[in-house]
Amino acid sequence: DAGVIQSPRHEVTEMGQEVTLRCKLISGHNSLFWYRQTMMRGLELLIYFNNNVPIDDSGMPEDRFSAKMPNASFSTLKIQPSEPRDSAVYFCASSPGQAQETQYFGPGTRLLVL
Amino acid sequence: GQNIDQPTEMTATEGAIVQINCTYQTSGFNGLFWYQQHAGEAPTFLSYNVLDGLEEKGRFSSFLSRSKGYSYLLLKELQMKDSASYLCAVSYPRQLTFGSGTQLTVLP
Repeated sequence: DAGVIQSPRHEVTEMGQEVTLRCKLISGHNSLFWYRQTMMRGLELLIYFNNNVPIDDSGMPEDRFSAKMPNASFSTLKIQPSEPRDSAVYFCASSPGQAQETQYFGPGTRLLVL
Repeated sequence: GQNIDQPTEMTATEGAIVQINCTYQTSGFNGLFWYQQHAGEAPTFLSYNVLDGLEEKGRFSSFLSRSKGYSYLLLKELQMKDSASYLCAVSYPRQLTFGSGTQLTVLP
């Protein structure tokens, strides 16, 4: 079975550019999570969807970040405009049910904003 | 917030046993996960504890004390490939909060 799929795996962009990260959930899973990981701050939850509905977006840093889940299997995380401090690894994870259940992580997108 | 504390780094020798501790705030606690993350890779699920006691899974075991807000991950017969970051994650209503991780280095 395919796990969580993320694209791109690596992204290098210049400050001010728009960045779009993509995620495909494991088939049959109902919850999707976007995380950001840096050496300084560790693994931080950005936003969590359940059944396509955003449940908790308190971790989204600011208005430059937005996330959508247009259907049950796909999500995007957009940063516009990007800044150097956004450089991090962005993980998408999915779980069969609610947030407190086991989460399965995608391989991550390594973002570098110059 | 739900402060989760675990040691930043640990070092052990191949073949030895190591215990990685995690403490957390007990209010609203649902359960506790341990994840393993190798450098440059995604976290992968190791264990999930809801009830007090020890859960054993091969060389890895995880212990929970709900009343004390305490868990540990026990790794036996350490192998070089066990060098990784071990993340404690606590489940609260509608959220999962990760600790900063313990970087384990296994030496030959």
